[in-house]
Amino acid sequence: KAGVTQTPRYLIKTRGQQVTLSCSPISGHRSVSWYQQTPGQGLQFLFEYFSETQRNKGNFPGRFSGRQFSNSRSEMNVSTLELGDSALYLCASSLVGQGAEAFFGQGTRLTVV
Amino acid sequence: GENVEQHPSTLSVQEGDSAVIKCTYSDSASNYFPWYKQELGKRPQLIIDIRSNVGEKKDQRIAVTLNKTAKHFSLHITETQPEDSAVYFCAASIDGQNFVFGPGTRLSVLP
Repeated sequence: KAGVTQTPRYLIKTRGQQVTLSCSPISGHRSVSWYQQTPGQGLQFLFEYFSETQRNKGNFPGRFSGRQFSNSRSEMNVSTLELGDSALYLCASSLVGQGAEAFFGQGTRLTVV
Repeated sequence: GENVEQHPSTLSVQEGDSAVIKCTYSDSASNYFPWYKQELGKRPQLIIDIRSNVGEKKDQRIAVTLNKTAKHFSLHITETQPEDSAVYFCAASIDGQNFVFGPGTRLSVLP
C-alpha cells in the first residue's frame, strides 16, 4: 500500500508570507501528527489530528495551525513566516490502538528567506 | 505531559563493537515505546518497538529493554556496522497516540 505522502517536497518562501503543507496518510490511518525538525533539535511535536479534531498540541505559537479532512488528509498552515521557521516538516500517520506504529512521510523542507 | 530524555546525544563506536542508547520517560501511562532510525536526508523509520507488557525484545543485532518501574528503556545494537550510522530517536506513547520523541542520538560507526 502507498506510504505517507507529503507535498510539496521543497518550498522557498519569504518572511511574512504564509504557507500550507499537505499530508496524505496511509489508507485506513485516522491519526496524523506533524513535527518540526531542525538541525540539533530533534523532532518537535506540533499537533495531532484524529477524526478531523485536533487531539493534542505542542508548544508552538498560534501562527502554526492545521486541520484534517474527512478522508484523513491533513494540512498544516504557517502564517507570517519567520526565518526561524525554516525546517523539515514531517507528518506521521498511525492506526489508533496499542502499539500503533507511526509511519513518516518524506517531509517538506521549508526555507524562509 | 510526557517528557522523554535520551542519552547520549552523540556516540562513536568502532565497527564490530556494541552501542547502547538510553531513554527515560515521565508518564507512567505510556505503554508503547518505538525506536526510529533516521539516515541523512531520509525519513525516520521504525527499527524496533516494545510494549509495556514485555521486558525485552530482540531482532537480529538490535534489542530493546524496558524497565517500567524505573521508566527507562534502552536500545542495544551489537556487532555494529558502518550502515548503522544514523540518528536514532526513542519515543513514548499511550496506545499509539501523541508520540513524544527524545532529542535523538547521532551514532557514528567508525571503520
